[in-house]
Amino acid sequence: GDSVTQMEGPVTLSEEAFLTINCTYTATGYPSLFWYVQYPGEGLQLLLKATKADDKGSNKGFEATYRKETTSFHLEKGSVQVSDSAVYFCALSIPQGGSEKLVFGKGTKLTVNP
Amino acid sequence: DTAVSQTPKYLVTQMGNDKSIKCEQNLGHDTMYWYKQDSKKFLKIMFSYNNKELIINETVPNRFSPKSPDKAHLNLHINSLELGDSAVYFCASSQGAGFYGYTFGSGTRLTVV
Repeated sequence: GDSVTQMEGPVTLSEEAFLTINCTYTATGYPSLFWYVQYPGEGLQLLLKATKADDKGSNKGFEATYRKETTSFHLEKGSVQVSDSAVYFCALSIPQGGSEKLVFGKGTKLTVNP
Repeated sequence: DTAVSQTPKYLVTQMGNDKSIKCEQNLGHDTMYWYKQDSKKFLKIMFSYNNKELIINETVPNRFSPKSPDKAHLNLHINSLELGDSAVYFCASSQGAGFYGYTFGSGTRLTVV
């Protein structure tokens, strides 16, 4: 079935370090891909998305490129800040009967130290 | 204005009780969802409704019953609560199928004691 695999955490970085969180997916068809972020005690917020192969989603300095050949959607940021500390979820979207079903990875907890 | 609002934010209750969680969205979206996040942060879909019609019903015990009185509201009623029901429950809404992603509520932390 459709699934998302993302790198196990936790990830701990110093401020201004480079971030990569790996995400690969398995899907029949061509899903849309998403990264969501969850700050402590809050709900999930959409960080970025890409709807077709070679699309690049970007927001707040984060980027991810939809790679169909490697079925990947890795999240990157050139210089992380303490405020980026959160749990990051990769997800794919499957249209289903007029709605869309989001299938999530297990989440990667990022801690950024000053 | 909160886009997707859930109440209550916290719910502590005893095993065997029945409880409800309410959700409302003011985004004009046609589709609403319930997701369960377990203690390891894993998120799994439970239900989706499109314009008051049940679309997705994953393998959820029938003690869980969603109800959608109109397309802006999706409530979750849970009968005979069990310890394993303890989790954070998220309501979400989306504009359509496939390309939009969800807008999530801030969650309801349910603790069954």
